[in-house]
Amino acid sequence: DAGVTQSPTHLIKTRGQQVTLRCSPKSGHDTVSWYQQALGQGPQFIFQYYEEEERQRGNFPDRFSGHQFPNYSSELNVNALLLGDSALYLCASSLFLAGRDTQYFGPGTRLTVL
Amino acid sequence: QKEVEQDPGPLSVPEGAIVSLNCTYSNSAFQYFMWYRQYSRKGPELLMYTYSSGNKEDGRFTAQVDKSSKYISLFIRDSQPSDSATYLCAMQPGTYKYIFGTGTRLKVLA
Repeated sequence: DAGVTQSPTHLIKTRGQQVTLRCSPKSGHDTVSWYQQALGQGPQFIFQYYEEEERQRGNFPDRFSGHQFPNYSSELNVNALLLGDSALYLCASSLFLAGRDTQYFGPGTRLTVL
Repeated sequence: QKEVEQDPGPLSVPEGAIVSLNCTYSNSAFQYFMWYRQYSRKGPELLMYTYSSGNKEDGRFTAQVDKSSKYISLFIRDSQPSDSATYLCAMQPGTYKYIFGTGTRLKVLA
């Protein structure tokens, strides 16, 4: 049973560029959440997608956008990159069961903005 | 003040020691509590989750929640060098987003 997969593993971009990160959820999961983890910090919630709609959003600017496809995979897009966007971007998938969801994380995409 | 406070460490212990990791929180709406382990440059791995006050045990790991004090703990018995990692507590107010602590770096010395 494949877990959560993310691509690419690493990415280097320059300020002002745009980036797209991809996530495939764990088999059987229908919900995808994205988090940003800066060095030495805990993950910060960006947004969550369910049924191809953004269901909840954290305190991130509109430069951060996403999409969920019919097969439940998801993309995170970041426009007009800033140096401060350098971080590990984590995707987590989950399935609501018995009134709760447990989020399982992928390995992350490490983004470096120069 | 952050919603979730966690001592960043590092915490160094000898092999075989009992490790105690803790988080405090301020939001009484938190209902679900998780502990994740994160090795360097990897994604977080779920260790334990609980939703009520009390203890939950799984192998060498015990998660403890005290909602009256807004305090959660993770105990690791018979710690091993392979337990060296960053331990993240996470909390959920009901549904959707998780709120994480900063993580505690643990080093178990052989």
